[in-house]
Amino acid sequence: DAKTTQPTSMDCAEGRAANLPCNHSTISGNEYVYWYRQIHSQGPQYIIHGLKNNETNEMASLIITEDRKSSTLILPHATLRDTAVYYCIVRGSNYKLTFGKGTLLTVNP
Amino acid sequence: DGGITQSPKYLFRKEGQNVTLSCEQNLNHDAMYWYRQDPGQGLRLIYYSQIVNDFQKGDIAEGYSVSREKKESFPLTVTSAQKNPTAFYLCASSYGQGAYEQYFGPGTRLTVT
Repeated sequence: DAKTTQPTSMDCAEGRAANLPCNHSTISGNEYVYWYRQIHSQGPQYIIHGLKNNETNEMASLIITEDRKSSTLILPHATLRDTAVYYCIVRGSNYKLTFGKGTLLTVNP
Repeated sequence: DGGITQSPKYLFRKEGQNVTLSCEQNLNHDAMYWYRQDPGQGLRLIYYSQIVNDFQKGDIAEGYSVSREKKESFPLTVTSAQKNPTAFYLCASSYGQGAYEQYFGPGTRLTVT
């Protein structure tokens, strides 16, 4: 599976959009981009995934560049409860999720 | 209320003792997984099972054992052979093989002294 690069940490003001970037320049054609988040001392929570089209659900939007070498997770109106570590994972058609260190998003009041 | 449960939340053991961590799911998922997380690190896969009575080693299986006698249950035993057992252990499940999203339990924090 392709590796991903994420910033170590980011800050966001409450009520504003949080935009979390992820680089995956070695992604191959059949690999999906997944996002999970982990609030301190809890299990990771699935957020969203996509292949090449932009995706939106009740939690977030996923924007994937046309060349698929990078993507951005958007939380449209961040709240204090969105403070967590966000993991960007590239995954082929198998079971394996490879978690890196992710981005610690801190939402400030 | 569907989900994955892990018990207990916190577990303390003396060095040299085997300990079994529980994982149960009522999501009717075929596949189940065990991960380990150390402070400030990502998750690492210990074992996974795609179907009842079958399981495979993940990236760090040494010192661990599992069983999958029922679809709903995937217990993990941390044996005395595991050199650094103190960690946060997470169980997950998914519909099956392939790129299905995995759903995680709340985790068990194991401390061995």
